[in-house]
Parts: sequence; C-alpha cells; structure tokens
Amino acid sequence: EAEVAQSPRYKITEKSQAVAFWCDPISGHATLYWYRQILGQGPELLVQFQDESVVDDSQLPKDRFSAERLKGVDSTLKIQPAELGDSAMYLCASSPQTQETQYFGPGTRLLVL
Amino acid sequence: SQQGEEDPQALSIQEGENATMNCSYKTSINNLQWYRQNSGRGLVHLILIRSNEREKHSGRLRVTLDTSKKSSSLLITASRAADTASYFCATGRDTGRRALTFGSGTRLQVQP
Repeated sequence: EAEVAQSPRYKITEKSQAVAFWCDPISGHATLYWYRQILGQGPELLVQFQDESVVDDSQLPKDRFSAERLKGVDSTLKIQPAELGDSAMYLCASSPQTQETQYFGPGTRLLVL
Repeated sequence: SQQGEEDPQALSIQEGENATMNCSYKTSINNLQWYRQNSGRGLVHLILIRSNEREKHSGRLRVTLDTSKKSSSLLITASRAADTASYFCATGRDTGRRALTFGSGTRLQVQP
C-alpha cells in the first residue's frame, strides 16, 4: 500500500540554526499539507498545496518558515532560524484531488536546544 | 486555533469494554473525520461522516453526528490493547481549502 514518506524522522538542532524537512506524498495526490503538532495537542495546518500552488499559508510564520513544492510532487519545509518554541512533530499529509480523507506520513520530530 | 474539543481528554478501560469519545465543534462543516495516532507516529484515518449523515459503522467503530448540537461521538466496541492510542476528530469544510481542523484528542489506554 502506498504511503507518504517523510525524512528525517528525528532532528535535533540548536536555536538559530536552519532545518529542512522533506515529504514525498502518495503518487497522484494533488493536495499536500504540512501540519505542526505540539505534544499533547492536535495537528495545526501550516501550509496547503494544490499541485505546486499554495492554497493556504495563513498560519505559516513567514518570517522564519518557508515551504515549496516546485514540481507539484515532493515538498520541503524549512525553518530558519529555528527557535525553542519550534520543537514539535511536523506532519505531512496528502489527498487525492476530490477526496477529503488525508493520508499522513510518520512525521519528523524536531527538538530545538 | 483548534475547532474541536474532545471529551474526555484521557480514558482508561479494560480490554473487552467499550470506549466512547466525544467531539464538539464550533462552525458549520461538510464532514467530520476521526483519526487515530499511536505514540510518536503519524495519524491514520478511521472513518468519515458527512454532514447529512447521522450514523456510520466500520468494523468495531460506530460514529454518530448531531449537527444541531455540533457534536460527534466515536464508539469502539470490545476494545483491545492494540486500540491504545490518541483519537482525534477533525472537521472539514466544503471549500477549496480542504485542510482539516483537528481537536485536541482523547488519549485512550486499554488495559490487557
């Protein structure tokens, strides 16, 4: 069964450093999401892509976060510079064009020291 | 901000018992979904119920939706130790923005 791939699974970095996360959605899924999940809470949307276009990045802290999906397939989420409060799980999900169900990757757990 | 609120925040039961989790939300929705998350892992979709549906079943899962009360419940019957996980409700809107708005989750512990 096809799965959403994410890497790395774990990342430890020092504050003020740059970090990048990668996501490869299920083949053929036009919509890609990045969520942030703080321990003990539900995921919160950071950015949504439809193919290579950003549909919603209203909750993305644009002074330090950036996301791209250049060819409408895989995506990269970057944080520069990282802050202590960025420690969280970063989840990528994808869905087919016309379905509401989302398929999640295993996540990247970020720890900022 | 999070749309839904799950209740209870934590639930501990014995294997074989039923587990009921509730979700309340604030705005009108197109559908409501339930997801499961094992510790440190990604979320897994369990079931989707549309705003014009009142009840849906999938295996040992039963979901109800009351749009007049803006609430939903998830019932897991004959629970197993493997059901131990966090359960999240998520609401979807019928707009171009298909992202889900998640609640804060219920942490279910099933004791063997």
